[in-house]
Amino acid sequence: KQEVTQIPAALSVPEGENLVLNCSFTDSAIYNLQWFRQDPGKGLTSLLLIQSSQREQTSGRLNASLDKSSGRSTLYIAASQPGDSATYLCAAPVSGGYNKLIFGAGTRLAVHP
Amino acid sequence: EAGVAQSPRYKIIEKRQSVAFWCNPISGHATLYWYQQILGQGPKLLIQFQNNGVVDDSQLPKDRFSAERLKGVDSTLKIQPAKLEDSAVYLCASSPGYGQPQHFGDGTRLSIL
Repeated sequence: KQEVTQIPAALSVPEGENLVLNCSFTDSAIYNLQWFRQDPGKGLTSLLLIQSSQREQTSGRLNASLDKSSGRSTLYIAASQPGDSATYLCAAPVSGGYNKLIFGAGTRLAVHP
Repeated sequence: EAGVAQSPRYKIIEKRQSVAFWCNPISGHATLYWYQQILGQGPKLLIQFQNNGVVDDSQLPKDRFSAERLKGVDSTLKIQPAKLEDSAVYLCASSPGYGQPQHFGDGTRLSIL
């Protein structure tokens, strides 16, 4: 059974800091892992999808890594900005499930000027 | 590319009443998902369609929830009768196929009085 945990639950930092958000999953037989952003009152926006054959994926100031053997993924945000304030969720698929995702509870990020 | 459209955005009903949500996925996306997101938690999959067939409805409370996807495009999710614990955001997502990113709508926020 796939379970996904995210640490920390909340984070408040000054603008400009580099951040690391952590995600752990119990079933390492995954074919990909996805990171999402959720703004208040909005749906989820896909940030990065890492295939199991990749170790990391980058988009602008975001970099996500995947270590299947340890059941961990990290999302690195460089030079944080107030506009990065949101909840970040990771999601791992269920083995044998057709693209069925299990989500963590998210990390609520606040970047203050 | 138009995103996933959902309506209504908000709904307030009394317990034991019925309610329906509508979703129009991204054009050409074969897979459609309905999620329930309770405050402070990650989304939980309720039902997944591949074209107009159900792939997974293992977490759908079938005594009160029903969903259909007519002609493999639009979908409706219904709750009848509603309970207090159904207060949540109901998110619809779609994806082109297996292993592809899921794209989310803004959701319907349901409040049960």
